[in-house]
Amino acid sequence: AQSVTQLGSHVSVSEGALVLLRCNYSSSVPPYLFWYVQYPNQGLQLLLKYTTGATLVKGINGFEAEFKKSETSFHLTKPSAHMSDAAEYFCAVSDRGNTPLVFGKGTRLSVIA
Amino acid sequence: KAGVTQTPRYLIKTRGQQVTLSCSPISGHRSVSWYQQTPGQGLQFLFEYFSETQRNKGNFPGRFSGRQFSNSRSEMNVSTLELGDSALYLCASSSTTGVGDTQYFGPGTRLTVL
Repeated sequence: AQSVTQLGSHVSVSEGALVLLRCNYSSSVPPYLFWYVQYPNQGLQLLLKYTTGATLVKGINGFEAEFKKSETSFHLTKPSAHMSDAAEYFCAVSDRGNTPLVFGKGTRLSVIA
Repeated sequence: KAGVTQTPRYLIKTRGQQVTLSCSPISGHRSVSWYQQTPGQGLQFLFEYFSETQRNKGNFPGRFSGRQFSNSRSEMNVSTLELGDSALYLCASSSTTGVGDTQYFGPGTRLTVL
């Protein structure tokens, strides 16, 4: 069965600092991987996804993530945090088949001025 | 294109009642999935419909049901509500088979059971 572990339920960074949100997955087959962001009282918005090809994936709002098969990781990074990045971030996985998304527990990102 | 819409946005019910939530997918999208989000359990998959057929089902009791119409709009129903059903219910649509396709989420329906 697939599972996703997000290390750290809450991460706090200073404005302008590096953002690093960690995600490790467990899957019996090479998965599809996703990062979503959720702002208060809103649904989920896709930041980026990995399906095939280049392992470094660039997304919206300056975020990127790297698929590392050997480490079963898909960490999300952004070089310089902005106040508007404060939100909850979810990593998700689906098998390369007709299966639904399995989400991690989420990481709440706070950005300090 | 208009995004995924969900109605109502907020709902308050009492234990034992039933509730129906509605989801209109992005135009042209044929796959609709439903998820439950709670602080304790996080985001959990309820079920997925594709071309009016339930294709996947999560691990929820039979009180939770859904359907999809020929125009791809979907409804989910929860009967005999329990306090633990209080949650944000999210609907997501995708364009084709859902395999690796991006799921686009609506704003959710916040259900409170008293």
